[in-house]
Amino acid sequence: EPEVTQTPSHQVTQMGQEVILRCVPISNHLYFYWYRQILGQKVEFLVSFYNNEISEKSEIFDDQFSVERPDGSNFTLKIRSTKLEDSAMYFCASSRSGSTDTQYFGPGTRLTVL
Amino acid sequence: GEDVEQSLFLSVREGDSSVINCTYTDSSSTYLYWYKQEPGAGLQLLTYIFSNMDMKQDQRLTVLLNKKDKHLSLRIADTQTGDSAIYFCAESIRKSDKIIFGKGTRLHILP
Repeated sequence: EPEVTQTPSHQVTQMGQEVILRCVPISNHLYFYWYRQILGQKVEFLVSFYNNEISEKSEIFDDQFSVERPDGSNFTLKIRSTKLEDSAMYFCASSRSGSTDTQYFGPGTRLTVL
Repeated sequence: GEDVEQSLFLSVREGDSSVINCTYTDSSSTYLYWYKQEPGAGLQLLTYIFSNMDMKQDQRLTVLLNKKDKHLSLRIADTQTGDSAIYFCAESIRKSDKIIFGKGTRLHILP
């Protein structure tokens, strides 16, 4: 069964550094998403992406964040200058169509900012 | 506003049925979901129900939706030790791409 994959599984970085989290969505899916889960809190929506542009973003997704589909398979989340409060589990998801379709999640990348 | 609430913990004896409850506030929901998260793992889609359905059964899983009360439940029949996980209730709403999650219910299986 096809699945969403994410790399790395765990990333440790120093405050102020840039990180790029990578995702390979399911191959015939057209919509891509990032969510995050701070330890002990709810899974929160960050951004959705379709047709090479941001479709929707939350208030969490400020200028420090950016997303890109650099090629036909990868989908990345970049955090330009990490803060301690960016420490969280970041989940990528994909769906065939938009808000009326089921989103399938990857295993997550645990980001630890020191 | 958009909110999904669920109790944080549930303990059930092995072999009994588990019932995890959830309430949501947004009446424009399209799908309602149950995701399972095992320790150290990602979010596994367990089952989902269209907002115009009342019930969905899938092997040991039964989802009940009361749209009037905005109440969703997940029943796991014959609960096994492998069912031990956090179960997230979630909804998608019209005119938005996001899925809104509850805080998750940690299901603990007693021997």
